[in-house]
Amino acid sequence: NFMLTQPHSVSESPGKTVTISCTRSSGSIASNYVQWYQQRPGSAPTTVIYEDNQRPSGVPDRFSGSIDSSSNSASLTISGLKTEDEADYYCQSYDSSNVVFGGGTKLTVL
Amino acid sequence: EVQLVESGGGLVKPGGSLRLSCAASGFTFSSYSMNWVRQAPGKGLEWVSSISSSSSYIYYADSVKGRFTISRDNAKNSLYLQMNSLRAEDTAVYYCAGPTVVTPGGWIDWGQGTLVTVSS
Repeated sequence: NFMLTQPHSVSESPGKTVTISCTRSSGSIASNYVQWYQQRPGSAPTTVIYEDNQRPSGVPDRFSGSIDSSSNSASLTISGLKTEDEADYYCQSYDSSNVVFGGGTKLTVL
Repeated sequence: EVQLVESGGGLVKPGGSLRLSCAASGFTFSSYSMNWVRQAPGKGLEWVSSISSSSSYIYYADSVKGRFTISRDNAKNSLYLQMNSLRAEDTAVYYCAGPTVVTPGGWIDWGQGTLVTVSS
């Protein structure tokens, strides 16, 4: 099984841009889609990015996703940060028989 | 609009059993794979199991293999998780997630979760 590694925490000021990385340990990041989930305290997760770079309806275009084969990683970028973006963010991908989540990144907007 | 509603959580003793259900609506349930994900208190998300649309393909995390069984009833638009030989480390909120085009795969929608507590 492969692993997805995320930074434990990131922080940035309102109005700024932050990028959260997700590095795949083995196998190509491009071989299976990457999803990104947001989870606020006490709530169920919600999807902010699916299929590497697609936004579900209702998710603002401040959220964007990308993959980089050279670093075998995916990234979630949030621009124009708002205090409401403060949450845990998880990347997720899969292979032929497993679904794998990253360990999660706590985003603090201060 | 996709809706996923879990039920069946509760308090159970170590070694006991519990069956979770997920009622799905807003999409053609029989055409898509579905998934269970859990989250222990204060911990991250952990994939539990996935099942294909016709139940032909089923996958489990190593941590639950041999103890948990995923199943579905397409006539009732329902997904199930039978949990046997429960341990304290199975204590978590269990989420139903999907629909998924491939098995395993990614998804967009989540249920609200149901809490399972394993304690004597």
